[in-house]
Amino acid sequence: GQQVMQIPQYQHVQEGEDFTTYCNSSTTLSNIQWYKQRPGGHPVFLIQLVKSGEVKKQKRLTFQFGEAKKNSSLHITATQTTDVGTYFCAGQGYNNDMRFGAGTRLTVKP
Amino acid sequence: NAGVTQTPKFQVLKTGQSMTLQCAQDMNHNSMYWYRQDPGMGLRLIYYSASEGTTDKGEVPNGYNVSRLNKREFSLRLESAAPSQTSVYFCASSEAQGAANTGELFFGEGSRLTVL
Repeated sequence: GQQVMQIPQYQHVQEGEDFTTYCNSSTTLSNIQWYKQRPGGHPVFLIQLVKSGEVKKQKRLTFQFGEAKKNSSLHITATQTTDVGTYFCAGQGYNNDMRFGAGTRLTVKP
Repeated sequence: NAGVTQTPKFQVLKTGQSMTLQCAQDMNHNSMYWYRQDPGMGLRLIYYSASEGTTDKGEVPNGYNVSRLNKREFSLRLESAAPSQTSVYFCASSEAQGAANTGELFFGEGSRLTVL
């Protein structure tokens, strides 16, 4: 079945440094979503990407969807302490099956 | 608007006991979902309901049952709890009708279940 792998599992950065998390699917995706979960909280939707090669920006966050629609990335420029949390990708296949990656836990040192 | 509300927030059970997790949404969403979250494994879909009166198995349905009571409410039942069901459970809803494009998921605050 469809699998979604996400790396790295953990990332610790100094405030102001950049951060990137990567998501790879074993099958071609119809769309991919990204969520953020603060410690002790619930996942909150960030964005959905649908088109091959799509790039979307939200302030310091840049989301990319690969040309083959099998991979995606989230890049945060100049991290802040408010960026702390776990970032999940969720890939939906053409069989309608949506699978979450295991997440990347980001910690930011002030 | 409260969004997605789930109860209880915490529960401790003994092996073999049963319990029901309740979930309600006030956004008039068609689809509702139950996920479990375990360390290092992300969120895994247990069951979902694409519309009132329908339910379908997700990735990890064994040991669980669900009921879509009406458009607002979707409950998850553990008939005979096992330690392997210790987890954080999240209910979610989306506007999607059918599974073709789930769209944005709105999550509840979670229910932390411990089975001894």
